[in-house]
Amino acid sequence: DAKTTQPNSMESNEEEPVHLPCNHSTISGTDYIHWYRQLPSQGPEYVIHGLTSNVNNRMASLAIAEDRKSSTLILHRATLRDAAVYYCILRAVEGVGSNYKLTFGKGTLLTVNP
Amino acid sequence: GAGVSQSPSNKVTEKGKDVELRCDPISGHTALYWYRQSLGQGLEFLIYFQGNSAPDKSGLPSDRFSAERTGGSVSTLTIQRTQQEDSAVYLCASSTRKAGDTYGYTFGSGTRLTVV
Repeated sequence: DAKTTQPNSMESNEEEPVHLPCNHSTISGTDYIHWYRQLPSQGPEYVIHGLTSNVNNRMASLAIAEDRKSSTLILHRATLRDAAVYYCILRAVEGVGSNYKLTFGKGTLLTVNP
Repeated sequence: GAGVSQSPSNKVTEKGKDVELRCDPISGHTALYWYRQSLGQGLEFLIYFQGNSAPDKSGLPSDRFSAERTGGSVSTLTIQRTQQEDSAVYLCASSTRKAGDTYGYTFGSGTRLTVV
């Protein structure tokens, strides 16, 4: 399985933007880049995903490098409720390969200071 | 239902007892997954069900662990003769797994199992 590399932890101040990096140098052409986050005492929740183009939704933005070997999750204005572990995961599109299991690494623990 | 429902939310059991954990996936989601998360650790895949196909049990840590999914909906994870190292949060997730689907899983809030 293609792996991802993320910093163990990051810190941000409330209402400031946060850029969470992820390296995935062995990504294949059929791998989507998914981001999940896990708030304290909760199960993970889907944040955003993308393939080649940058993506925006109500939660965050995803910036994908041109060579797709890295990506950045962007929280435009961090709030205290964004404090969580953020996971960057590669997943093949359904029907291609057998990567139907999301393999979670250790993720990045984001601390948001008031 | 609107989300993935798991019960009980908390379970304390004595070492050696059997426990059953329940997961009710989102209606229409054909794929169901079980993960566990030990304190301060990442998520560990346990088992995966997809429709009527044979489940992928490759993540089950021992033969004390088993799971079934009845009628393609509700799933039960059973741990026999529980040990203290089984203490963890057990998470269930479901997804659509339609061809071309690139969306992710929806997780439940988990069952916190404590073996004393």
